[in-house]
Formats: sequence, structure tokens, C-alpha cells
Amino acid sequence: DAKTTQPNSMESNEEEPVHLPCNHSTISGTDYIHWYRQLPSQGPEYVIHGLTSNVNNRMASLAIAEDRKSSTLILHRATLRDAAVYYCILRDAYSGGGADGLTFGKGTHLIIQP
Amino acid sequence: DTAVSQTPKYLVTQMGNDKSIKCEQNLGHDTMYWYKQDSKKFLKIMFSYNNKELIINETVPNRFSPKSPDKAHLNLHINSLELGDSAVYFCASRPGWESGYTFGSGTRLTVV
Repeated sequence: DAKTTQPNSMESNEEEPVHLPCNHSTISGTDYIHWYRQLPSQGPEYVIHGLTSNVNNRMASLAIAEDRKSSTLILHRATLRDAAVYYCILRDAYSGGGADGLTFGKGTHLIIQP
Repeated sequence: DTAVSQTPKYLVTQMGNDKSIKCEQNLGHDTMYWYKQDSKKFLKIMFSYNNKELIINETVPNRFSPKSPDKAHLNLHINSLELGDSAVYFCASRPGWESGYTFGSGTRLTVV
């Protein structure tokens, strides 16, 4: 899977929007962009994924650049519960028959200030 | 209803012992995985199973063996435990189409 680059940490205030950036300049045409988060002492939790178009769900929005070399996870109104490590992961949907796993990097440690 | 459940949640054992961690998913997913998260918090994939067939094995010592009695279960058996095996082990599953992975809450293994 192609590599992603994320800031080590970010801080935001409660009830404000948060924009988490991810660079993936070597992304291929069949790479999906996945976001996961891991709250303290819990397993990773799926947040959102997309291929080319922006995506919205109940947890967040995913904005994908037109050239697909970067993306941004948007939390519209952060709460203290959103404090976690956020991982941006590329997954090639056509490798290993779709049975391969996710390759996690270091992620972004999001700190929410009350 | 827990989607991906692992047992036990905590496991403390002595070096040299053999232990198993169980994983069950009730999502009807096609593929299941085992991940290891070490003390530095890096998550690394160990195994995946698709339709009871081992698909990948990422340079994991052969002391680790996944066993899948059916599509809903993927257990992890570890022989001759070593201190370096201490970590949190996560089970995960995903459906056959491009979608999110669902992770269990983890098993914290401590080898003393």
C-alpha cells in the first residue's frame, strides 16, 4: 500500500471543527482512502473511506483533493470523546484479492481542549 | 450485541507456556484478521483468513498459528510464549466489498 504522511499531533478546542490533513502523493488509481481512529485503551474504529468524491457520514466528512494526492478528515464539532489517534490509510482494492489488511502508520494524535 | 468479540480481555502467563486467544464476529464478514500492537503503539497485521483460507502471513514466527473452525471465528494460538510476545492483540473483520474494518476491543497479553 502507498504511504501516507500525517502530522504527529494536533490540538483543537471543544465544539469547534477539526481538519485533519493527510498527504498521499504516490496514491494509485485503485487506492481507497480509509480513516480510522483509536481511542485510549480501545481497538481501532472505522471512521470513513472514499475513492475520488467527498464523503459524508454521521461521524465525519472526507474531503479528497482533485488530484487525490491529499485528503482531509473533517470533524464538524469536536467533543472530548473525539480525542484519539487518527490514522489515514490507503488500501488497494485490487491487491491480494481484496483480502489484505490495513497498514497503519503513526497517525495523528488529536488533543481536544475543553 | 458485540460485533467482534475477543476473549480473554487480559492474559498473564509465564514464558514457555502455550495460550490461545479467541475471536468471533457476528457480522457475516468474509475476511478476518489478527493485528499486534506493541508497546510503541504500532499496529501490525499478522494474519488474515478468507473463507477459511490463510491469505497472508506477515513474517510472523511459526509459534503463532491462526485457526478458523468456521467463517465466524478466527482464533490465535501461540506456542512457547516469549517476553517479546507481550502486546495487545486485536482481531478484525471486513465484508467482501470495499468497506470499513471492524475491530475487537483487544486482548492484552503479558508474558512474565
